[in-house]
Amino acid sequence: SAVISQKPSRDICQRGTSLTIQCQVDSQVTMMFWYRQQPGQSLTLIATANQGSEATYESGFVIDKFPISRPNLTFSTLTVSNMSPEDSSIYLCSVPHEGQGRINEQFFGPGTRLTVL
Amino acid sequence: GDSVTQMEGPVTLSEEAFLTINCTYTATGYPSLFWYVQYPGEGLQLLLKATKADDKGSNKGFEATYRKETTSFHLEKGSVQVSDSAVYFCALVSGTYKYIFGTGTRLKVLA
Repeated sequence: SAVISQKPSRDICQRGTSLTIQCQVDSQVTMMFWYRQQPGQSLTLIATANQGSEATYESGFVIDKFPISRPNLTFSTLTVSNMSPEDSSIYLCSVPHEGQGRINEQFFGPGTRLTVL
Repeated sequence: GDSVTQMEGPVTLSEEAFLTINCTYTATGYPSLFWYVQYPGEGLQLLLKATKADDKGSNKGFEATYRKETTSFHLEKGSVQVSDSAVYFCALVSGTYKYIFGTGTRLKVLA
């Protein structure tokens, strides 16, 4: 199984500022995913981050608001830009299980709890 | 589009009670179905899965059966423990890595 860590675990930010969230995996993985979990809501996929190429964003999410970096196969960052209170959420990264026959399973990080005032 | 609907919580039970958390889905094709659990302060962990109709996933005393005829994947446990207190998410993935999650059901088990 993959072990995923995220930094920071939580933060309180002022509106208009930006926060960069880091995701570190203990093994090399091809794909990494970023999710948002708004209060009382389900998890929603923001984007897929592939090493060596631009991230692929889901409908409703744009690169200017959520720029993503993927400098190598074990690390990714998600930046939440020009934050507003509506960005208050838990942000999680995940990676797929790369074992045979288990490709649709994912491992999730512990999440970053963001509060925007 | 694909979707997952699960019962709203919170669900509060006494220890050793029987648990059912309902989950239904809509999807084109033949999705794989999952239950994930999120313990306080931790990330999501895969609890169990089923990849085709009539499959039963099981783990830690929890079970769920993939029912294509009713498009359901209800989570059950015969006797819950305080340590089962967590948020449970039903999810599907169909054809790609993209997960569709339910809204989560918070379970609180009282001693």
